[in-house]
Amino acid sequence: AQKITQTQPGMFVQEKEAVTLDCTYDTSDPSYGLFWYKQPSSGEMIFLIYQGSYDQQNATEGRYSLNFQKARKSANLVISASQLGDSAMYFCAILPGNTPLVFGKGTRLSVIA
Amino acid sequence: DAGVIQSPRHEVTEMGQEVTLRCKPISGHDYLFWYRQTMMRGLELLIYFNNNVPIDDSGMPEDRFSAKMPNASFSTLKIQPSEPRDSAVYFCASSSGTSNQPQHFGDGTRLSIL
Repeated sequence: AQKITQTQPGMFVQEKEAVTLDCTYDTSDPSYGLFWYKQPSSGEMIFLIYQGSYDQQNATEGRYSLNFQKARKSANLVISASQLGDSAMYFCAILPGNTPLVFGKGTRLSVIA
Repeated sequence: DAGVIQSPRHEVTEMGQEVTLRCKPISGHDYLFWYRQTMMRGLELLIYFNNNVPIDDSGMPEDRFSAKMPNASFSTLKIQPSEPRDSAVYFCASSSGTSNQPQHFGDGTRLSIL
């Protein structure tokens, strides 16, 4: 069975600072994808970034980067230069093969001015 | 391109009434998923379809819940009869199904059962 663990229920970061949101996963499938989603207070689920299990390089999308450590089964999200609009819930998810996404319980990020 | 479209955005109804939630997936996506989100249980997968066929409905809480996908561009989730504990945000998502493609979510339906 697949599992995602997000150990930080809540995080605070100062505006313009970088922040790392932790995610560890468990799967026996050799091929999988890791995803991060953002859910602002308005409620929609916004896809942020993807990392494939065979990708050699860490994924980056603008201010988002994924610190992928396969041996440790971790896929931490790094947000650089935090903005007030980054305040939201962040969900890590794993997609092994053609099964549905398995989500973690999320981390609530609050950016402080 | 249009994203996943859900309707209604908000629904308030009385206990015992039938509730129908609707979803139009992104054109070309073969997979469609229904999720429920609550504070207590987080995001739960209710059911998903591949090429309009239900693949796994083990997340459907009970027989009061049913889902259909009559064609590639439309799906419904019905609750009959509704109960207050069904109050939640219901999301529909679609994807092309390969492991490197994300699921794209609709804006959700916020359901309140009084």
